[in-house]
Amino acid sequence: AQSVTQPDIHITVSEGASLELRCNYSYGATPYLFWYVQSPGQGLQLLLKYFSGDTLVQGIKGFEAEFKRSQSSFNLRKPSVHWSDAAEYFCAVGPSNTDKLIFGTGTRLQVFP
Amino acid sequence: DTAVSQTPKYLVTQMGNDKSIKCEQNLGHDTMYWYKQDSKKFLKIMFSYNNKELIINETVPNRFSPKSPDKAHLNLHINSLELGDSAVYFCASSSLGAPGAFFGQGTRLTVV
Repeated sequence: AQSVTQPDIHITVSEGASLELRCNYSYGATPYLFWYVQSPGQGLQLLLKYFSGDTLVQGIKGFEAEFKRSQSSFNLRKPSVHWSDAAEYFCAVGPSNTDKLIFGTGTRLQVFP
Repeated sequence: DTAVSQTPKYLVTQMGNDKSIKCEQNLGHDTMYWYKQDSKKFLKIMFSYNNKELIINETVPNRFSPKSPDKAHLNLHINSLELGDSAVYFCASSSLGAPGAFFGQGTRLTVV
């Protein structure tokens, strides 16, 4: 069955610290992978996406993610977190020809000064 | 110049009522979607339209009826609202073949 797992429900980091949010997926075919961010009371904003090619992808707001096929993972990273990064982060997978995205349950990021 | 806009942002209504949520995108995309986010923040696709044609219709009660008058609009009509319909509904759009949807701000529906 197709699924996305975000093992960490809630993560707390200090401002300036590095961040890694985990995402594992189960998908029959080669997936398209996405990370979205949802700020409180807001819609979802696409941070980055991976289709093929270089397994390290750069996104907006200084985020990057690395696709590891052998581990079925697509972890999101940021070298130095800012207080404005506090939000809910969703990993998603989709097929190559449509956008029926399957979302993980999200990871809530709290940032302390 | 909002890319994907939904109205209303908040909707409080009584059980049994019928309500609509409107969505418009000005990105020139050919595919539009409705997603539902429940109280635990779980997001699940409900419908997908491509060029006004229904493509994806997940297991959703037939009280929910999407309508796409043109490529830029996808409205969601809900009949006989139930308490369990309370959620945040997101509209999104994308170009078929270029995955990565743009989402609206969401409509928080509360059924009392």
